[in-house]
Amino acid sequence: NAGVTQTPKFRVLKTGQSMTLLCAQDMNHEYMYWYRQDPGMGLRLIHYSVGEGTTAKGEVPDGYNVSRLKKQNFLLGLESAAPSQTSVYFCASSHLTDTQYFGPGTRLTVL
Amino acid sequence: GEDVEQSLFLSVREGDSSVISCTYTDSSSTYLYWYKQEPGAGLQLLTYIFSNMDMKQDQRLTVLLNKKDKHLSLRIADTQTGDSAIYFCAELYSSASKIIFGSGTRLSIRP
Repeated sequence: NAGVTQTPKFRVLKTGQSMTLLCAQDMNHEYMYWYRQDPGMGLRLIHYSVGEGTTAKGEVPDGYNVSRLKKQNFLLGLESAAPSQTSVYFCASSHLTDTQYFGPGTRLTVL
Repeated sequence: GEDVEQSLFLSVREGDSSVISCTYTDSSSTYLYWYKQEPGAGLQLLTYIFSNMDMKQDQRLTVLLNKKDKHLSLRIADTQTGDSAIYFCAELYSSASKIIFGSGTRLSIRP
């Protein structure tokens, strides 16, 4: 039982490049979330999903897209990366609105 | 609006008790959480409390909830060097099925 895993752990992009972050969970959770963490700002919710095939916007959705084609996976895409998207990205999952379990994070740098 | 506020720093002497606190805005929150984040790692759930409880104790951790003032605190007894981390308070924002995090309190331990 791996819990929540994220791929990759680190990435460096140039401005304008695109990439996809993958989150996978093996706990059969319905809800999944993507957050970004910036110094002194805590966690901010980017997008979330309450079930396979559904997504919803969080606090800071601009510049990101998500997809939940399978229950166990939640993908976060950056279509055209900007330096303001340099951050640590955390994925989480939960059984409905119960406790969220977090992945180890992906550190993204956009030059 | 949705907001969870915490002080940014706390320094305590090893062996003393640490008290980290936060205030939240949603009076209808059902769950309130404390997460711990060690350097370079993801968030780890420490404990949580249901809104119909005033206190919860779990070994060295004591959570106190004052619903009237919307104030949540985490007391760590006999603080050790391994307790050095950032501690996040979070509330389940019931109307939107999402969890709102505070900005985190960095706990440092001095000998």
